[in-house]
Amino acid sequence: QKEVEQNSGPLSVPEGAIASLNCTYSDRGSQSFFWYRQYSGKSPELIMSIYSNGDKEDGRFTAQLNKASQYVSLLIRDSQPSDSATYLCAVNKDAGNNRKLIWGLGTSLAVNP
Amino acid sequence: DVKVTQSSRYLVKRTGEKVFLECVQDMDHENMFWYRQDPGLGLRLIYFSYDVKMKEKGDIPEGYSVSREKKERFSLILESASTNQTSMYLCASTRPGQHTQYFGPGTRLTVL
Repeated sequence: QKEVEQNSGPLSVPEGAIASLNCTYSDRGSQSFFWYRQYSGKSPELIMSIYSNGDKEDGRFTAQLNKASQYVSLLIRDSQPSDSATYLCAVNKDAGNNRKLIWGLGTSLAVNP
Repeated sequence: DVKVTQSSRYLVKRTGEKVFLECVQDMDHENMFWYRQDPGLGLRLIYFSYDVKMKEKGDIPEGYSVSREKKERFSLILESASTNQTSMYLCASTRPGQHTQYFGPGTRLTVL
């Protein structure tokens, strides 16, 4: 079992729809969870971080965390063609000082006009 | 704003050459990371450093070494480049006490 798993996609949604991206992780001790967006040929950029169970909203983006079920999701409301990218889920591995993250392989999202 | 820079966006080298990739951050970040990213394999950690002159191997350190002589600069060295090291190389850093990683723009290295 991979430590962080995501569906590779591609996930295709029409413009204006809600895109739902999911991520599961294996380490119950994980405390920090991140969603990054990566456009083709570019480096990952942080969209959201979440640390507590429940929902966290930022504009059109909502991150949802359920530690009991070990999943974290990202909802994108009113999807735009500019949201077409690969979305990476990352989870901290160690509570110690090294700040390593474990990365999923990413989900490719295509928003169709 | 967090600023992480990498020395080159594109680099072409010959097999057997020694290659230096540099990463600089201007925010006094303590942790710095080098990844490579290949299609279907995702981000793979090569080395990371949590302080000056301190380094730890990541998941795929073979064929690479690193140097961190100053807090703001973390260098990745390919001692003898090989074609299987053709990849996108990404540097990242974190603020003290945080896990959020901030990435540089990446270096696409081609080894011929």
